[in-house]
Amino acid sequence: QKEVEQNSGPLSVPEGAIASLNCTYSDRVSQSFFWYRQYSGKSPELIMSIYSNGDKEDGRFTAQLNKASQYVSLLIRDSQPSDSATYLCAVKNYGQNFVFGPGTRLSVLP
Amino acid sequence: DTEVTQTPKHLVMGMTNKKSLKCEQHMGHRAMYWYKQKAKKPPELMFVYSYEKLSINESVPSRFSPECPNSSLLNLHLHALQPEDSALYLCASSHDRGEVHFGPGTRLTVT
Repeated sequence: QKEVEQNSGPLSVPEGAIASLNCTYSDRVSQSFFWYRQYSGKSPELIMSIYSNGDKEDGRFTAQLNKASQYVSLLIRDSQPSDSATYLCAVKNYGQNFVFGPGTRLSVLP
Repeated sequence: DTEVTQTPKHLVMGMTNKKSLKCEQHMGHRAMYWYKQKAKKPPELMFVYSYEKLSINESVPSRFSPECPNSSLLNLHLHALQPEDSALYLCASSHDRGEVHFGPGTRLTVT
């Protein structure tokens, strides 16, 4: 079983819609959870971090964490063509081990 | 200063060459990372340094040799690489359980 899994893409949504990205992880002692956006040929850019159960909102982005279900999600409201990128879920546990999921490619269609 | 810098941006090397990748951060982070990323794949963890000591080595071949001279610097020494080692090499840093910040990467081509 992979440590971090994400819903397979590509995911296409129309401009202005909500994009929903999902991630599950296998290590129950994982402490910190992150969403990164990566444009082709560029390095990952941190969008959201979440450490406790519940929702965390930042502008058009909302991260949700459910540790009991080992599930993290990212919602992007009012999606824009500039949001088209690969979204990487990452999980950090004790000992600085920081692991990425395979990524979900998002296309926002004008 | 919230930036991780990496040099060089691009590197082309032959299989018999020795070269080094350099990474620097001035955010006071005590954990530093090297990742390798191939096209259309997620970053793959190679090494982690915590408080200047190597804490994780993900079974990386010995032709890759990391070095952490001080808390702000991280090097990756390369020797006798193979063409399949061509990739984007990413450096990152973080506080303990905090956010991991990435540098822009070094695009490595082995000929």
